[in-house]
Amino acid sequence: GDSVTQMEGPVTLSEEACLTINCTYTATGYPSLFWYVQYPGEGLQLLLKATKADDKGSNKGFEATYRKETTSFHLEKGSVQVSDSAVYFCALSDQTGGSYIPTFGRGTSLIVHP
Amino acid sequence: NAGVTQTPKFQVLKTGQSMTLQCAQDMNHNSMYWYRQDPGMGLRLIYYSASEGTTDKGEVPNGYNVSRLNKREFSLRLESAAPSQTSVYFCASRVTGTGSYNEQFFGPGTRLTVL
Repeated sequence: GDSVTQMEGPVTLSEEACLTINCTYTATGYPSLFWYVQYPGEGLQLLLKATKADDKGSNKGFEATYRKETTSFHLEKGSVQVSDSAVYFCALSDQTGGSYIPTFGRGTSLIVHP
Repeated sequence: NAGVTQTPKFQVLKTGQSMTLQCAQDMNHNSMYWYRQDPGMGLRLIYYSASEGTTDKGEVPNGYNVSRLNKREFSLRLESAAPSQTSVYFCASRVTGTGSYNEQFFGPGTRLTVL
């Protein structure tokens, strides 16, 4: 079956540091890939997505590139802010028996200090 | 446009009590989902409804039932709550098209404690 593996957290950074959160996946078909963000006390919300190989998703200074050859979708940001402190989930969506059931990673907590 | 709404936001139950978690979406989405989130476990799918009138089990359905009341509403029922059901519950919805590229929209969550 499909699976998503994320680096374990927490990731602790100082403000303005560079961020990379690794995500790799296994899928039987041609999935779409997503990064969701969960701020404290809230539900998940879409951060960015990519729907085919070599696509780059970007939003709020975050980027991720769909790498089919390495089955990866790593999240990057050049300069993090305290307000980026949250839990980040990598996910994929693939067709299984006619239903698109998303598969999520376990989440990576990011803590940014001033 | 409220998106996905959930009620209640917080609930404390005693073991053996029953309750229903309500979820509604106003985006005319076909698919709806119930997840639970536990520390270190990420999101686990309890039940989903691909379209109005259909429901299917997810990864952790034991102890839960669901009802897709209409296109807007998808409720989750705990018939006899157990401490192992202490968790944060999220409802989500999604447009179902011909591709896998549509994202999910999540509600704010219900924080449930079973004593």
